[in-house]
Amino acid sequence: DTGVSQDPRHKITKRGQNVTFRCDPISEHNRLYWYRQTLGQGPEFLTYFQNEAQLEKSRLLSDRFSAERPKGSFSTLEIQRTEQGDSAMYLCASSAGTLNEKLFFGSGTQLSVL
Amino acid sequence: AQTVTQSQPEMSVQEAETVTLSCTYDTSENNYYLFWYKQPPSRQMILVIRQEAYKQQNATENRFSVNFQKAAKSFSLKISDSQLGDTAMYFCAFMKPLQGAQKLVFGQGTRLTINP
Repeated sequence: DTGVSQDPRHKITKRGQNVTFRCDPISEHNRLYWYRQTLGQGPEFLTYFQNEAQLEKSRLLSDRFSAERPKGSFSTLEIQRTEQGDSAMYLCASSAGTLNEKLFFGSGTQLSVL
Repeated sequence: AQTVTQSQPEMSVQEAETVTLSCTYDTSENNYYLFWYKQPPSRQMILVIRQEAYKQQNATENRFSVNFQKAAKSFSLKISDSQLGDTAMYFCAFMKPLQGAQKLVFGQGTRLTINP
């Protein structure tokens, strides 16, 4: 169990650029979640996958956001045409998908849009 | 929609003291889960303790315990014999036990500092 891994740890980009983050969940975990945490706030749910299927998306996930989980392993979160309001920490979590599942979080990707 | 409120933005205590962090929530659900997560400077959210609403007994995990008052919709965290490593942001969170997403609703957090 190597934990949930996220890459990169920090990303600085200019407004209008596209960015992509990667999350590697704990192996054998079939559920993967993305949360967003803005400064001074708790995390907010964005979306989740059961294996490769994206089953739910928050209204926070605008059309500029897209998430994928090919083959049910790692996941990517892409933001197109970034805006300053996208600046936040993007957290990934995974779980085994059992009834009393426990979420394991990664250390996040801190995005700064200039 | 569920909401979670943490009214203490910051707290500070001396090492070995006991500290209590407050959390209130609003829901019309009868069955749900409540959590306390710790977020140290490493940024990784770590589960501290969990409470099922249908259980009347308060959850405990070593030095961590909760005071769950369902009627009052209150869920406080008590840390006994506090240690320097307890310094972190603490988030209270709510979840409905639906099949599917573990969509946690978090409070705004309390920054706890343990002083030597």
